Amino acid sequence: GAGVSQSPRYKVAKRGQDVALRCDPISGHVSLFWYQQALGQGPEFLTYFQNEAQLDKSGLPSDRFFAERPEGSVSTLKIQRTQQEDSAVYLCASSPWTAYNEQFFGPGTRLTVL
Amino acid sequence: GENVEQHPSTLSVQEGDSAVIKCTYSDSASNYFPWYKQELGKRPQLIIDIRSNVGEKKDQRIAVTLNKTAKHFSLHITETQPEDSAVYFCAASKTNQAGTALIFGKGTTLSVSS
Repeated sequence: GAGVSQSPRYKVAKRGQDVALRCDPISGHVSLFWYQQALGQGPEFLTYFQNEAQLDKSGLPSDRFFAERPEGSVSTLKIQRTQQEDSAVYLCASSPWTAYNEQFFGPGTRLTVL
Repeated sequence: GENVEQHPSTLSVQEGDSAVIKCTYSDSASNYFPWYKQELGKRPQLIIDIRSNVGEKKDQRIAVTLNKTAKHFSLHITETQPEDSAVYFCAASKTNQAGTALIFGKGTTLSVSS
């Protein structure tokens, strides 16, 4: 079956531009996570959705970051007024509603802010 | 919050040798410990995981051990092959409820030379 997909795979933005990153989770997966992976580092949690509800956004680094999942499937991570420090790979992961937390990752979007 | 430390940051072995990567965690409530393999430019792929009610789990050449008292867990790869070369990440989370974020270590770059 289809895995988690993300688009675009690569995005170059000029500092100050807004960007929108899309995640298509595995069909039927209730949980959806966004992570940020800086070069040479492990993924760091940004935010979590259970269906359409954003239950945890404690990892969002600033109010320039906004995420939504309006119909409980596709999610969009939006970054306003991008800064150079936003350059990273943004990973999306989804998980079925199970007692344990196996997460399936997408290929990521590599964002470069010039 | 949870903190995961991972060692070593780089590991070079000869084909056929064993490789061991170690992680420690800080939150005694963490109860799910997955290991992900990430090849260059690719998505993290789950290779093995362990729950806190188990001390060891094995899958062919890969095994994971967990010491809850000491709060550390390790990945063991036997009979390494060049295709095992990648970055390996350990992670920890609490799964008392679905949707808990994974906290990742900084990764170990494994190089297997033939």
